[in-house]
Amino acid sequence: DIQMTQSPSSLSASVGDRVTITCRASQSISNYLNWYQQKPGKAPKLLIYAASSLQSGVPSRFSGSGSGTDFTLTISSLQPEDFATYYCQQSYSTPLNFGGGTRVEIK
Amino acid sequence: QVQLQQSGPGLVKPSQTLSLTCVISGDSVSSNSAAWNWIRQSPSRGLEWLGRTYYRSKWYNEYAVSVRSRISINPDTSKNQFSLQLDSVTPEDTAVYYCAYASGSPGAFNIWGQGTMVTVSS
Repeated sequence: DIQMTQSPSSLSASVGDRVTITCRASQSISNYLNWYQQKPGKAPKLLIYAASSLQSGVPSRFSGSGSGTDFTLTISSLQPEDFATYYCQQSYSTPLNFGGGTRVEIK
Repeated sequence: QVQLQQSGPGLVKPSQTLSLTCVISGDSVSSNSAAWNWIRQSPSRGLEWLGRTYYRSKWYNEYAVSVRSRISINPDTSKNQFSLQLDSVTPEDTAVYYCAYASGSPGAFNIWGQGTMVTVSS
């Protein structure tokens, strides 16, 4: 199985800050890496697929990069609605594992 | 636009079977480019993919090892829906259960159901 490790597990940031979340796969997954945002009581929402492709309707302040084993989600200027938990997920092979999540909190 | 609507009981007794259904609108369960997934989320296990069913000239099922002996995911083409059955549940199966749709490559979960909180308790 491919294990997904996210860091940090939580962070505090202010509106307008640039935020970076990292995700590492236990083996190469090419670009089969997806990012989700989840708010309390809601289902996860797809933000980025194939490591760097922005899902339709997602603001351009979200971006993704990386390939192989190391990936990054960047929020260029944090907005109030971005305070949430973010998950990476590999779709290279089953089981389709998720990272443990990064909670983005208001400083 | 694909939409998923989940239904099923929120309380299941230990040793019984958990059964949930996900009704699809906007695509066909028999689509050759879609996969239909079940995922659960709990504080102890995080987001856990349970399995999927998909049609590529014939039906395929893939399951997580952690539940492989107890799980069944079945398409129903007459009702355009798919279901989850999880046998012999224990309190550790208490979680929010989601159905999710993945289309094409690279198979990201781009549409999710609303989630069903299932509690396993007597």
